[in-house]
Amino acid sequence: EAQVTQNPRYLITVTGKKLTVTCSQNMNHEYMSWYRQDPGLGLRQIYYSMNVEVTDKGDVPEGYKVSRKEKRNFPLILESPSPNQTSLYFCASSLEGQGSQPQHFGDGTRLSIL
Amino acid sequence: RKEVEQDPGPFNVPEGATVAFNCTYSNSASQSFFWYRQDCRKEPKLLMSVYSSGNEDGRFTAQLNRASQYISLLIRDSKLSDSATYLCVVFSRGRDDKIIFGKGTRLHILP
Repeated sequence: EAQVTQNPRYLITVTGKKLTVTCSQNMNHEYMSWYRQDPGLGLRQIYYSMNVEVTDKGDVPEGYKVSRKEKRNFPLILESPSPNQTSLYFCASSLEGQGSQPQHFGDGTRLSIL
Repeated sequence: RKEVEQDPGPFNVPEGATVAFNCTYSNSASQSFFWYRQDCRKEPKLLMSVYSSGNEDGRFTAQLNRASQYISLLIRDSKLSDSATYLCVVFSRGRDDKIIFGKGTRLHILP
């Protein structure tokens, strides 16, 4: 089954404790992206990757890091999480392009930073 | 003008009615347009791409008006299962390719 898999689905942690949210897709998609969704603000892009070893900042990259060492994986790293990073996070992938193709989304990761 | 703007709703509509959503965009260079559907606490899912000539998929019709810079979504014979938030998504190619999601319009279909 074609899918985008995120882990964990839910995480409650404390300020400053490094965490990683994993994202994996099995569709051989070149493009992957991370978004956060907050009430009243909609989906905002954090980082995206056009292909392996190619990553770019989205609209809200501060406080986040990503890597794309393999085509299928695109982890999101919070080196020193803060409460304002409490949000619902989605990973997405598409065949190619920065949004020019329809995207497939993971189930989401609900992150709470205390 | 906001980059992508949608009426937040909520729209409370009786079952069987026709519903229309509009979404305006500010960048005239925008190239690709999509409607996504998002159920409460779930991930967005592609409903349909929007083509220049307009396109239809069952009860759903999407249209693009480049001159006025808006896209629309029409839902005919609405069902209870259509209750969701509908997101307008616009892609613009330029010096920096950019994808913008609208904040969504909430739709409640009433029995």
